Amino acid sequence: NAGVTQTPKFRILKIGQSMTLQCTQDMNHNYMYWYRQDPGMGLKLIYYSVGAGITDKGEVPNGYNVSRSTTEDFPLRLELAAPSQTSVYFCASSFTSGTDYEQYFGPGTRLTVT
Amino acid sequence: QKEVEQNSGPLSVPEGAIASLNCTYSDRGSQSFFWYRQYSGKSPELIMSIYSNGDKEDGRFTAQLNKASQYVSLLIRDSQPSDSATYLCAVNLRHTGRRALTFGSGTRLQVQP
Repeated sequence: NAGVTQTPKFRILKIGQSMTLQCTQDMNHNYMYWYRQDPGMGLKLIYYSVGAGITDKGEVPNGYNVSRSTTEDFPLRLELAAPSQTSVYFCASSFTSGTDYEQYFGPGTRLTVT
Repeated sequence: QKEVEQNSGPLSVPEGAIASLNCTYSDRGSQSFFWYRQYSGKSPELIMSIYSNGDKEDGRFTAQLNKASQYVSLLIRDSQPSDSATYLCAVNLRHTGRRALTFGSGTRLQVQP
């Protein structure tokens, strides 16, 4: 199993551009998540999904959109990129039933907006 | 007050010593608690999960949970230089209504050879 994969690894965007960060998991996990991590900080939840077709906002959803059409894929869309979106983005997944939230992370995407 | 709070460190311990990492959380109704290790430039890696009061041991790691005090800790016995990393505490905070984890800012651990 590859686990959680993310593409691209690195990206530089100009202000106002848009892009999609890709995330795929092959563990048949039902829950998927997007976090961002700013330097020296913890992880902030952007959006999460509890199954195909179901998404919900996290702590910092503004400026982002998500969709989940399949169990495996959970892309994150950035519209009108701003310097404040410069960060490292991590996708994660879990098989959650009840209170079990053991999340497994992808390698991350380092995004710079200039 | 942060909802999941950790001392940022760095916590410096000599090789072979016990490292003690602490975390407090704001929601008394929380039921799921996790410790992650993150090496510089890498993604977080799950070390331990704990759901009940008391201790849970896995190799050199022991997680301790005290729900009455809203406190969870991680002990690393026989610390090795390879344990040098940032340790993130994560909690499912029930009052948020989110079916996800809230992370602390992490404690940086340095194990001196």
